Amino acid sequence: TQLLEQSPQFLSIQEGENLTVYCNSSSVFSSLQWYRQEPGEGPVLLVTVVTGGEVKKLKRLTFQFGDARKDSSLHITAAQPGDTGLYLCALNRDNYGQNFVFGPGTRLSVLP
Amino acid sequence: ETGVTQSPTHLIKTRGQQVTLRCSSQSGHNTVSWYQQALGQGPQFIFQYYREEENGRGNFPPRFSGLQFPNYSSELNVNALELDDSALYLCASSLVGINYGYTFGSGTRLTVV
Repeated sequence: TQLLEQSPQFLSIQEGENLTVYCNSSSVFSSLQWYRQEPGEGPVLLVTVVTGGEVKKLKRLTFQFGDARKDSSLHITAAQPGDTGLYLCALNRDNYGQNFVFGPGTRLSVLP
Repeated sequence: ETGVTQSPTHLIKTRGQQVTLRCSSQSGHNTVSWYQQALGQGPQFIFQYYREEENGRGNFPPRFSGLQFPNYSSELNVNALELDDSALYLCASSLVGINYGYTFGSGTRLTVV
């Protein structure tokens, strides 16, 4: 069974459009992280959220952790070709350290 | 600060062989985790090492084993390679604590033929 789901699986948009991708789980986790991965590279950490309902902004990216700490969304405003990549959410099953479960990712393509 | 470095970058092995992958953690990090990422999928947790001891393991068989050294570098060993072991193997280092994220290396692409 899939512990963590991400949607959509694929997304192709034009430069300048807005988009939202989602991460959902049936279990509660201590923290959640979003990563972006480019081909041939390891994932790069974008944000960590710990508190239910928490919202964090990173330039044009807005991250929200659900109140029940089981889901999250990533919203990108005015997408640019440099935003292209695989967006992974990861939920931490450990209350003290790190034991992250990764979702399958959303593959985003922003066309110029 | 130095990032996480992995070696080799690419490797081709024959089914049944053994392989050792290496990782140097980011300076100051005391925890190292290994993940397997099959093509088109998210990373799957193999195991984590903290203070040179295994500190958590995913759903991988015992032929996947590891080591962490006093300088926090690490090895992943896989015995009796199978075709399904073909994947990108990622090493990630971090500090302990739920507020800390991983710093990943670029990975080792293993192909088993």
